Amino acid sequence: AQSVTQPDIHITVSEGASLELRCNYSYGATPYLFWYVQSPGQGLQLLLKYFSGDTLVQGIKGFEAEFKRSQSSFNLRKPSVHWSDAAEYFCAVVPGTGGSYIPTFGRGTSLIVHP
Amino acid sequence: DTAVSQTPKYLVTQMGNDKSIKCEQNLGHDTMYWYKQDSKKFLKIMFSYNNKELIINETVPNRFSPKSPDKAHLNLHINSLELGDSAVYFCASSQDLRRGGLLEQFFGPGTRLTVL
Repeated sequence: AQSVTQPDIHITVSEGASLELRCNYSYGATPYLFWYVQSPGQGLQLLLKYFSGDTLVQGIKGFEAEFKRSQSSFNLRKPSVHWSDAAEYFCAVVPGTGGSYIPTFGRGTSLIVHP
Repeated sequence: DTAVSQTPKYLVTQMGNDKSIKCEQNLGHDTMYWYKQDSKKFLKIMFSYNNKELIINETVPNRFSPKSPDKAHLNLHINSLELGDSAVYFCASSQDLRRGGLLEQFFGPGTRLTVL
């Protein structure tokens, strides 16, 4: 079974600083990979996704993520964080092959932004 | 123009009661989902329906029964509520995932269920 690890429960950054949120997955083949953001009291919103092709994907709100097959990672980055980016971030994996489309979410990383 | 809506937003009830949460999507999607998010923010899929057909049914107590009257609606009925059912329940929808449509899932705002 696939698993997703987000090793950082909380990350605190200053506004304007760069950000990297880590995500590692465990699965035999390359799965479909997603990053979602959840603002307080809201549902999840897709930031970006990777299916195949270019390993650096661009998303909304200035986020990008890089897929590294050798490290089984899909880390989320942003060059300059804004106070409105404070939220919970979830990495998700879907196998896709063998007819399995059951998504697995990481535990989430809470981003705190200091002024 | 709410894409995925859920009612109610908050639900407080006593142990042993039966309650329902409603979900509607106006995106024309074929697939709808129910997720449970616990107090530690862990998000786990419960069910998925595609065109009113159940296609994903994770290990969920049979006290939980999803009902899909049409492909735009997926309701969740919970019998004999227990303290451990307290959580935030999210509805979501996407295009038909079985035809390679596993694209963006659109989530509703969530229903916070508190069982006393």
